[in-house]
Amino acid sequence: NAGVTQTPKFQVLKTGQSMTLQCAQDMNHNSMYWYRQDPGMGLRLIYYSASEGTTDKGEVPNGYNVSRLNKREFSLRLESAAPSQTSVYFCASSLQGAAGELFFGEGSRLTVL
Amino acid sequence: DQQVKQNSPSLSVQEGRISILNCDYTNSMFDYFLWYKKYPAEGPTFLISISSIKDKNEDGRFTVFLNKSAKHLSLHIVPSQPGDSAVYFCAASAINNNDMRFGAGTRLTVKP
Repeated sequence: NAGVTQTPKFQVLKTGQSMTLQCAQDMNHNSMYWYRQDPGMGLRLIYYSASEGTTDKGEVPNGYNVSRLNKREFSLRLESAAPSQTSVYFCASSLQGAAGELFFGEGSRLTVL
Repeated sequence: DQQVKQNSPSLSVQEGRISILNCDYTNSMFDYFLWYKKYPAEGPTFLISISSIKDKNEDGRFTVFLNKSAKHLSLHIVPSQPGDSAVYFCAASAINNNDMRFGAGTRLTVKP
């Protein structure tokens, strides 16, 4: 029962470095999401993929890129990390898009120095 | 813009009493509302939902109320238990739109 798996769980970067957060789900869900959680801000949507082959911007997409590699995998890339991207990142998936519940991974804590 | 607002960052209640968590939204296109629960170092987990065609949905100790005219929903937990201590997020979405928006969360502490 893996559900939604994110890697890595922790990462420290220097300003300007790049990295990719990986996410995979084994529930055969169509939709996948990347959120970031910051104190006092709740969860904010970065990008989502309604189905394999499609991606769309969410509320806070600047500084990020995504790839829906196949139905199972949805990666989030930071090309040039900035301290403002220090956050906890959550990947989620859903069978029915936002009309159904989202299943979340355990989160990835990223610190940019 | 914060389309989903939870104005109480924290709430403390005694075990056995009722917990009431509140949420307001500004987007009149929202028609599906959810509550998620989050423990430290874990991802949020779905708790209960309600569609705009209803004004109440109940699941065991958890009840969600929706007041569309006031753009307000609330989560009632009765009776509250220490294991309910967590951060609760309110979320909303519009049909045919994959953009689910979350509030800032309310930290509930249930004291034994």
